[in-house]
Amino acid sequence: DAKTTQPPSMDCAEGRAANLPCNHSTISGNEYVYWYRQIHSQGPQYIIHGLKNNETNEMASLIITEDRKSSTLILPHATLRDTAVYYCIVRVDRGSQGNLIFGKGTKLSVKP
Amino acid sequence: NAGVMQNPRHLVRRRGQEARLRCSPMKGHSHVYWYRQLPEEGLKFMVYLQKENIIDESGMPKERFSAEFPKEGPSILRIQQVVRGDSAAYFCASSPRDGANEKLFFGSGTQLSVL
Repeated sequence: DAKTTQPPSMDCAEGRAANLPCNHSTISGNEYVYWYRQIHSQGPQYIIHGLKNNETNEMASLIITEDRKSSTLILPHATLRDTAVYYCIVRVDRGSQGNLIFGKGTKLSVKP
Repeated sequence: NAGVMQNPRHLVRRRGQEARLRCSPMKGHSHVYWYRQLPEEGLKFMVYLQKENIIDESGMPKERFSAEFPKEGPSILRIQQVVRGDSAAYFCASSPRDGANEKLFFGSGTQLSVL
């Protein structure tokens, strides 16, 4: 699976947009970009995923560059409850071996 | 529609005892994944199962650890003769189908403490 690179930590002011970057320069054409987050000691929570096109749901937006070598997760109006570790994962469709491989993620701290 | 259910939420064992962790996937999901998270570390993949079959156990220690997902009932992660280094949070996830476009849904985990 392609590896991802994320900043270890970021701060964001409450109410502002949080933009979390992720580099995946070795991504292949059949690999999806997934974002999960883990709020202290809880199970990982799915946020969003995409292949080529930008995606938006009720939680966030995912912007994928045209060459697919990087992406940005956008939380439009961060709240204190968004403080968590955010994981960017690329996942290949290998039939029966499609598990998620977690890296170290970005620790996002939303401050009042 | 209940989410992925894991029990117990907390499990305390003494060294040498057995630990059994249970995971009931979401309704309609036949694919189960187990992950382990050691203190202050990231999640590590352990094993991937479909009903009655182990598909990928590349992340599971060769000794003392086993997993099953029977035709009926929850998936079980079994750790024999536990040691202090097994103390960790164990998370289970499920998905309805195979494939990279299928989201995994995680449970709240089981915190195993070995005394």
